[in-house]
Amino acid sequence: GQQLNQSPQSMFIQEGEDVSMNCTSSSIFNTWLWYKQDPGEGPVLLIALYKAGELTSNGRLTAQFGITRKDSFLNISASIPSDVGIYFCAGYYSGGGADGLTFGKGTHLIIQP
Amino acid sequence: EAGVAQSPRYKIIEKRQSVAFWCNPISGHATLYWYQQILGQGPKLLIQFQNNGVVDDSQLPKDRFSAERLKGVDSTLKIQPAKLEDSAVYLCASSPTSGGTDTQYFGPGTRLTVL
Repeated sequence: GQQLNQSPQSMFIQEGEDVSMNCTSSSIFNTWLWYKQDPGEGPVLLIALYKAGELTSNGRLTAQFGITRKDSFLNISASIPSDVGIYFCAGYYSGGGADGLTFGKGTHLIIQP
Repeated sequence: EAGVAQSPRYKIIEKRQSVAFWCNPISGHATLYWYQQILGQGPKLLIQFQNNGVVDDSQLPKDRFSAERLKGVDSTLKIQPAKLEDSAVYLCASSPTSGGTDTQYFGPGTRLTVL
């Protein structure tokens, strides 16, 4: 099956620093998504990417859909305490109506004030 | 707009017991998903429903797991009998239609501990 390699596994940064994380796939995806999950909650969608090469921003977050369709990255600028959480990349390749997402293992972001 | 509702939020059972989880998707959402999230991992799709029909259950361990969405709205996921490795958070998600371009909205999950 499809596998996503997400890195880094965890990040310890100072408040105000920029953050970068990425995801690579063993196969092509049509859609790349980035989610954030807080403790005890379900994942919440941050950014959706639908086209190879697409660069999309959502406030301080910027994500790109790789040209090869096998990778994506997420950047967070000027991190703040509420950015703490686990960030997941997810992708899917449509076919036959089944569109369950394949998730990476997550990047745990910890911010030191 | 109310979000995806799940119950119970927590469940502790002993191995070989049975357990059931309930999900109420966002009103009007045709597609419903059940994911399993083991500690330290990303969610893994178990089953996808389109209205009351199964679209994909290829990763559902059918010898012990079952799911239904009888009237195309609420859904239940059952495990019978449970094993230690079933300890995980079970997430329900819904989207307006299928096709991947619709956002999947996740519920808070049910945390299952099997002793």
